Amino acid sequence: DGGITQSPKYLFRKEGQNVTLSCEQNLNHDAMYWYRQDPGQGLRLIYYSQIVNDFQKGDIAEGYSVSREKKESFPLTVTSAQKNPTAFYLCASSKTGEAKNIQYFGAGTRLSVL
Amino acid sequence: AQSVTQLDSQVPVFEEAPVELRCNYSSSVSVYLFWYVQYPNQGLQLLLKYLSGSTLVESINGFEAEFNKSQTSFHLRKPSVHISDTAEYFCAVSGAGGGNKLTFGTGTQLKVEL
Repeated sequence: DGGITQSPKYLFRKEGQNVTLSCEQNLNHDAMYWYRQDPGQGLRLIYYSQIVNDFQKGDIAEGYSVSREKKESFPLTVTSAQKNPTAFYLCASSKTGEAKNIQYFGAGTRLSVL
Repeated sequence: AQSVTQLDSQVPVFEEAPVELRCNYSSSVSVYLFWYVQYPNQGLQLLLKYLSGSTLVESINGFEAEFNKSQTSFHLRKPSVHISDTAEYFCAVSGAGGGNKLTFGTGTQLKVEL
């Protein structure tokens, strides 16, 4: 089945620790995205990538980093600089970076702070 | 810049009753409009989209939405809801001619009761 796989489903971070969230897609999509979801705030864009080896900051990139070394993979690292990391993180992909293309979402990773 | 307003954070409704979830947007360019649905602890699934053409768009499970350019609205309606429609619904907009940056509303929780 084609789709987007996010792992792990649940993740716990200790203070001062960096953690990495995995996102893999087998849809052959060029563009990939990371969103953060907080209750009552909808989804906010963290980073996006329209092509391999290129990515841009979204609206709330501070405290996060990404890489796009392979077309199918777009991992997100939540660094110790992100002081409020507890949230639901969603990865998405679309065929290309054009505005009319549908974004398809993974099942999400819920990150909590110990 | 673009924004999306979903005024109703929660909408309770009895099964088989009609429902309308409101969405208004603001944008300086032509837009594409989307409704996504999210079930608990899952990712988002596309419900329907407006790209161009007929202003009334329909989904396979009975939802419909109408693009109203003069009122900058894209309200979601269903004439008769089912228990299984209980979920959170997000309206989103992307700007035509620009990159695929989706701006989401804060979501409306639809709770269908017996």
